[in-house]
Amino acid sequence: SDDLTQPPSVSVSPGQTARISCSGNRMEHRYVSWYQQRPGQSPVVVIYQDTKRPSGIPERFSGSNSGDIATLTIGGTQPMDEAVYYCQAWDTTSFWVFGGGTKLTVL
Amino acid sequence: EVQLVESGGTVVQPRGSLRLSCAASGFTFSNYWMHWVRQAPGKGLVWVAHIKSDGSETKYLDSVKGRFTISRDNAKNTLYLQLNSLRVEDTAVYYCSREDRTWYYMDVWGKGTTVTVSS
Repeated sequence: SDDLTQPPSVSVSPGQTARISCSGNRMEHRYVSWYQQRPGQSPVVVIYQDTKRPSGIPERFSGSNSGDIATLTIGGTQPMDEAVYYCQAWDTTSFWVFGGGTKLTVL
Repeated sequence: EVQLVESGGTVVQPRGSLRLSCAASGFTFSNYWMHWVRQAPGKGLVWVAHIKSDGSETKYLDSVKGRFTISRDNAKNTLYLQLNSLRVEDTAVYYCSREDRTWYYMDVWGKGTTVTVSS
């Protein structure tokens, strides 16, 4: 099995940039996606294929992937961005794996 | 509107069985690989199983192999998950999701159905 490691929590002030990391083996060779889950709601994809934003997701959400670390960046974080964020990676070996999730707090 | 609606979750005793359903609408169900993902209370997302668009391929999380079976009825636009030999640790919200097979991510999720395994 393969594990994706995320920090349990990240805190930022409104308007600041939040960065959430996701580390795992050979991440740059895997398809990485990021999901936002607000309390009591289903997950919603905010980034796929490392850097792509689905329609309807604000431009302040961006992604990167290099080496063994993928990163979700939220520029100009807003209170509505407070949620748990999960990375997910796919490759032909590990197939479908989720990270443990990072709770983003906007103070 | 693209929609996935899960049903079938309930309280069941350990070693019991249950079948979950996921009704799809608003898209051509038979064109998509589908998944079940679960989330234990207060915990993270865990991928459980997936099935190819035509039902010919399936894959499972190691801890549910031999106990859970994913299947689909493309004529009824419905995905299923048969849960047998249930354990307390299977207690979770079970989500069905649709896969984007180009970029390997889950682009549509249902609201989930809750399975509680307890005596």
